[in-house]
Amino acid sequence: DAKTTQPNSMESNEEEPVHLPCNHSTISGTDYIHWYRQLPSQGPEYVIHGLTSNVNNRMASLAIAEDRKSSTLILHRATLRDAAVYYCILTFFSGNTPLVFGKGTRLSVIA
Amino acid sequence: EAQVTQNPRYLITVTGKKLTVTCSQNMNHEYMSWYRQDPGLGLRQIYYSMNVEVTDKGDVPEGYKVSRKEKRNFPLILESPSPNQTSLYFCASSSHRPDRSYEQYFGPGTRLTVT
Repeated sequence: DAKTTQPNSMESNEEEPVHLPCNHSTISGTDYIHWYRQLPSQGPEYVIHGLTSNVNNRMASLAIAEDRKSSTLILHRATLRDAAVYYCILTFFSGNTPLVFGKGTRLSVIA
Repeated sequence: EAQVTQNPRYLITVTGKKLTVTCSQNMNHEYMSWYRQDPGLGLRQIYYSMNVEVTDKGDVPEGYKVSRKEKRNFPLILESPSPNQTSLYFCASSSHRPDRSYEQYFGPGTRLTVT
């Protein structure tokens, strides 16, 4: 399985943009890049996903490198509610669709 | 509101006493699965189900059973719980989409303690 590498922790000031990096140098052409986050005492929550092109939704933006070996989740204005562990996950369609969660990046937001 | 519900949210039990954790989704999803989350080990899949009456083992199925008699429900059964099954459990569901992209929706979690 292709693996991802993320920093253990990051810190941001409230209302500033946050760029969460993810390296996935062994990604294959059919792997999608997914981001989930887990707020304290809650289940994981889908954030965004993409294949090759950059993606935007109401929660965040996903910037994917041209060679697809890395990606960046962008929170445009961090709020205290964005403090969570963010997971970058590669997925492929195989019938069984488990998400392999690594350790993720713990994001702290400072008021 | 689209959601995955789990019950109970918290449970303390003793070794060997059979228990069931229920999971229900209201999104008509075909795919459902169970994960457990342990410190330092992340989330690991226990069992999954592709559709009604179709279930299969995930990465850590020992000591667990599941059933899928209805599309919306996917209970997790511990026939004889042991202390090493003390963990935080999450149920998840998603629809099957042929373009290989999907979102999984997770329940709020069930914290189980086996003494």
